[in-house]
Amino acid sequence: KAGVTQTPRYLIKTRGQQVTLSCSPISGHRSVSWYQQTPGQGLQFLFEYFSETQRNKGNFPGRFSGRQFSNSRSEMNVSTLELGDSALYLCASSPGGGSQNTGELFFGEGSRLTVL
Amino acid sequence: AQSVAQPEDQVNVAEGNPLTVKCTYSVSGNPYLFWYVQYPNRGLQFLLKYITGDNLVKGSYGFEAEFNKSQTSFHLKKPSALVSDSALYFCAVRDKGSSYKLIFGSGTRLLVRP
Repeated sequence: KAGVTQTPRYLIKTRGQQVTLSCSPISGHRSVSWYQQTPGQGLQFLFEYFSETQRNKGNFPGRFSGRQFSNSRSEMNVSTLELGDSALYLCASSPGGGSQNTGELFFGEGSRLTVL
Repeated sequence: AQSVAQPEDQVNVAEGNPLTVKCTYSVSGNPYLFWYVQYPNRGLQFLLKYITGDNLVKGSYGFEAEFNKSQTSFHLKKPSALVSDSALYFCAVRDKGSSYKLIFGSGTRLLVRP
């Protein structure tokens, strides 16, 4: 079974631009979460989607947004990029729903964003 | 609010020696606890979890963790460290509610010297 796939793996943008990152979850998984990883702040939760609905949102400004499609694929968008947005953005999927799902997440390799 | 703490930024151990990476938690209700490992320029890999049952949980790559309710700890252990175990380790707790949000500790870098 293929793992979580994130594209692109690396990208460089300049301040003020916007970026869209893509995530394809493990087949059959319906929950997709996004995390931002930086050396200073560690791993911070961005948002979680389940069946195309945002189920939870972290403490990030409105410049950060996301969505999930009917095939469970997800995208996140960051508009008006700032230098501090430079980070590794990690997507994770989970089966979602059901009492047997104990909540471990399966992570992709991440998209490393550098903002110049 | 749910939280986990990893008190050590780095742990150094010689190959072949036992290793322990510490994690303490603060939760309301029963905790769902996890350990993940991250190799350079890679995503996080799931190692093991504690949901309920035996306090000693066995996971991938020979790792195990001991859940201690009285000390609110969930330390990661391995009887004999390998150089290839050198990586960044994260403890995490599942947030309350129906979502699958994990709250991560700050991470501990494990360095196993030959």
